[in-house]
Amino acid sequence: AQSVTQLGSHVSVSEGALVLLRCNYSSSVPPYLFWYVQYPNQGLQLLLKYTTGATLVKGINGFEAEFKKSETSFHLTKPSAHMSDAAEYFCAVSERAAGNKLTFGGGTRVLVKP
Amino acid sequence: NAGVMQNPRHLVRRRGQEARLRCSPMKGHSHVYWYRQLPEEGLKFMVYLQKENIIDESGMPKERFSAEFPKEGPSILRIQQVVRGDSAAYFCASSPAGGLLGETQYFGPGTRLLVL
Repeated sequence: AQSVTQLGSHVSVSEGALVLLRCNYSSSVPPYLFWYVQYPNQGLQLLLKYTTGATLVKGINGFEAEFKKSETSFHLTKPSAHMSDAAEYFCAVSERAAGNKLTFGGGTRVLVKP
Repeated sequence: NAGVMQNPRHLVRRRGQEARLRCSPMKGHSHVYWYRQLPEEGLKFMVYLQKENIIDESGMPKERFSAEFPKEGPSILRIQQVVRGDSAAYFCASSPAGGLLGETQYFGPGTRLLVL
């Protein structure tokens, strides 16, 4: 069975500082990996995803993530935080054996300090 | 091109009533997924449907919950005899025809159900 762990339910960063959100997954087969962002009282918006190919994936709003198979990780980073990055971020995985359903981590809420 | 539409956005029900949540997928999408987000938790998969077919309902509670995606019209998630523990945000997502693995799912704004 697949699972996702996000370390840190809350992260506080200063505006302009590096944003690093950690995600580790468990999967019996090569997974497909996703990061979504959720703003208050809204749905989820895809930031980026990894399916195959290049392990460093670039997404929207300056975010990127690197798939590291040996570490079973897919950490999300952004070099310089902006106030508009304050939101909740979810890492998710899907795999062939589980059809196309997404398994989500518990989420990390990001607070950006001026 | 309109995104995934869900209505109502907010729904208040008393214990024992029925809740009906609607989801219209993006144009051209024939695959619909429902997820539930309990307070302070991540999203949990409930059910995956294609037109007129339930493909995977492994996340649906055994009782009181049902889902359909008819040939015409929106997908419906129905909760009978609601209880306070059903209070949550219910999200619908859709993906294009084909349901390819790794395909992006596009999420609606959610329906926030409050059971009094």
